[in-house]
Amino acid sequence: DAGVIQSPRHEVTEMGQEVTLRCKPISGHNSLFWYRQTMMRGLELLIYFNNNVPIDDSGMPEDRFSAKMPNASFSTLKIQPSEPRDSAVYFCASSLAGGQGEGETQYFGPGTRLLVL
Amino acid sequence: KNQVEQSPQSLIILEGKNCTLQCNYTVSPFSNLRWYKQDTGRGPVSLTIMTFSENTKSNGRYTATLDADTKQSSLHITASQLSDSASYICVVIWYGGSQGNLIFGKGTKLSVKP
Repeated sequence: DAGVIQSPRHEVTEMGQEVTLRCKPISGHNSLFWYRQTMMRGLELLIYFNNNVPIDDSGMPEDRFSAKMPNASFSTLKIQPSEPRDSAVYFCASSLAGGQGEGETQYFGPGTRLLVL
Repeated sequence: KNQVEQSPQSLIILEGKNCTLQCNYTVSPFSNLRWYKQDTGRGPVSLTIMTFSENTKSNGRYTATLDADTKQSSLHITASQLSDSASYICVVIWYGGSQGNLIFGKGTKLSVKP
């Protein structure tokens, strides 16, 4: 299995531009998570989906962030317009079930390193 | 307030030595606690998942302990190897309402030197 796939791996953009991050979860996994990681704040959960439905988006920082999961094998995280403070590593993870129960391991992708100038 | 505190922030040890990383939490109600290893430039990888009733869980040279009474967990690494150099992140999951919530520690950065 290829694991969780994220693209692009690196993104450099200018303030005000739209940024779209993509994720393909592990086949057969029902839950998908988007995280952001910075030195200052560590890992933060932004949003998670179960069976393609957003369950909890309370971690999404503001309206500039949106996430979609149109089908079981694809999700996007969009930032529009982007700002320098959005610079971070964005991880996607997937799990077989809910991902938070005692037997539910989350598998992380390699991350997208975003730099907004 | 639900929090997870890890110590030390960073640690340097010599190859072959043992070390212990600490995780203290104030999360309630508690569901489970996880330790992740994150190599530089990569996503976190799960090492252990422990529930309220488990005191110890091992994964090779990694042993996690949990004291639910004092709300403390530790990750012990035995006979360290250069490949153990990474950040180790403690995550506590609690249930509020109908769904789980993840509280992350900021991690301990471990460097193993030859």
